[in-house]
Amino acid sequence: DAKTTQPPSMDCAEGRAANLPCNHSTISGNEYVYWYRQIHSQGPQYIIHGLKNNETNEMASLIITEDRKSSTLILPHATLRDTAVYYCIVETSYDKVIFGPGTSLSVIP
Amino acid sequence: DAGVIQSPRHEVTEMGQEVTLRCKPISGHDYLFWYRQTMMRGLELLIYFNNNVPIDDSGMPEDRFSAKMPNASFSTLKIQPSEPRDSAVYFCASSPAYRVMNTEAFFGQGTRLTVV
Repeated sequence: DAKTTQPPSMDCAEGRAANLPCNHSTISGNEYVYWYRQIHSQGPQYIIHGLKNNETNEMASLIITEDRKSSTLILPHATLRDTAVYYCIVETSYDKVIFGPGTSLSVIP
Repeated sequence: DAGVIQSPRHEVTEMGQEVTLRCKPISGHDYLFWYRQTMMRGLELLIYFNNNVPIDDSGMPEDRFSAKMPNASFSTLKIQPSEPRDSAVYFCASSPAYRVMNTEAFFGQGTRLTVV
């Protein structure tokens, strides 16, 4: 099963881009990279996912390296409401989503 | 759709009592997941269902825990008897289509369980 490693915590200044890294060196060719976040006391929220191409939506951008061994989630203009724990997930089986410890992002005024 | 609905939002019970947590998934979603979250262990997958059938319950901690999905719109997670170490936030999530890959999971707001 592929596993991910993320820094336990990061800070980002409000209005600046937040770049959250994730390593997934054992990822398989058909496994997707997903990002979720969890704002305090709420259920996790889907952000974005990708296979090998870079992806962008209204929330964030996902940059996946060519060898697919790492990726970066980019929040282009972080706000205080983006303070949350961010989870990088690689699907470990056909069906289920398994969460690691994630990165606690603090957006500072 | 109102999203994944969990009830109750908060539950306080005494040790030894039976606790039942409830979940209504999003209509049309084929997958339902139960997670538990604690400070020490983070988010743990307990069990998941596909088309109302339990597929993987390897995350269920003990025989005191049981989960059912009698129909596509309702699932329960039961703890009997409850213990203080079961205190946690329990999340239910659902996902559409026949596979999770390339789709997202939608989470409820959770049930905060406190066993005293």
